[in-house]
Amino acid sequence: DSGVTQTPKHLITATGQRVTLRCSPRSGDLSVYWYQQSLDQGLQFLIHYYNGEERAKGNILERFSAQQFPDLHSELNLSSLELGDSALYFCASSVESSGGWQFFGPGTRLTVL
Amino acid sequence: GIQVEQSPPDLILQEGANSTLRCNFSDSVNNLQWFHQNPWGQLINLFYIPSGTKQNGRLSATTVATERYSLLYISSSQTTDSGVYFCAVGGNTGKLIFGQGTTLQVKP
Repeated sequence: DSGVTQTPKHLITATGQRVTLRCSPRSGDLSVYWYQQSLDQGLQFLIHYYNGEERAKGNILERFSAQQFPDLHSELNLSSLELGDSALYFCASSVESSGGWQFFGPGTRLTVL
Repeated sequence: GIQVEQSPPDLILQEGANSTLRCNFSDSVNNLQWFHQNPWGQLINLFYIPSGTKQNGRLSATTVATERYSLLYISSSQTTDSGVYFCAVGGNTGKLIFGQGTTLQVKP
């Protein structure tokens, strides 16, 4: 158990819908990272927040957005879902503002039908 | 950006055998981590090893940062070691860049 929690574990929804994925970092960690694992793209970085502020963006679609709240939990919002958004979404946390050991949560498996 | 290459892409072993997985990266890094993704999709942290050598039970890892590669050693492999092993590296931005993984199958 890494100490990072993600909910829900599984999510099945339809195209065009909107979903919210939630992540709680390890106690004391200020950084939250989101990654997407799809069959064709592998594991890719989406976005990084540190203590409530966005620090870096990767290959994140405009239909996706994220935020980190004052209690440091983070949410990833995915809207206008397409079949290709079906993937495993991982959240990771670390103490540092950049770099350092990232601890990964169990992931949310999103299926878009 | 930094490129990460893992080899071999696939590996089949008999239980009890040893193996070495390799990760090459194209630029200097501040972070290097090894993961095991089990059949249920969970990413299990194995090592945080931007340089040097570490051991944890039957697993050990070595990173030679100056030559831009890392090795993961698995000794006396067990069927529970099956899965995909990922190497991921990070530079100054903090984001991790993952290799394509090595799929390991350990046969009883």
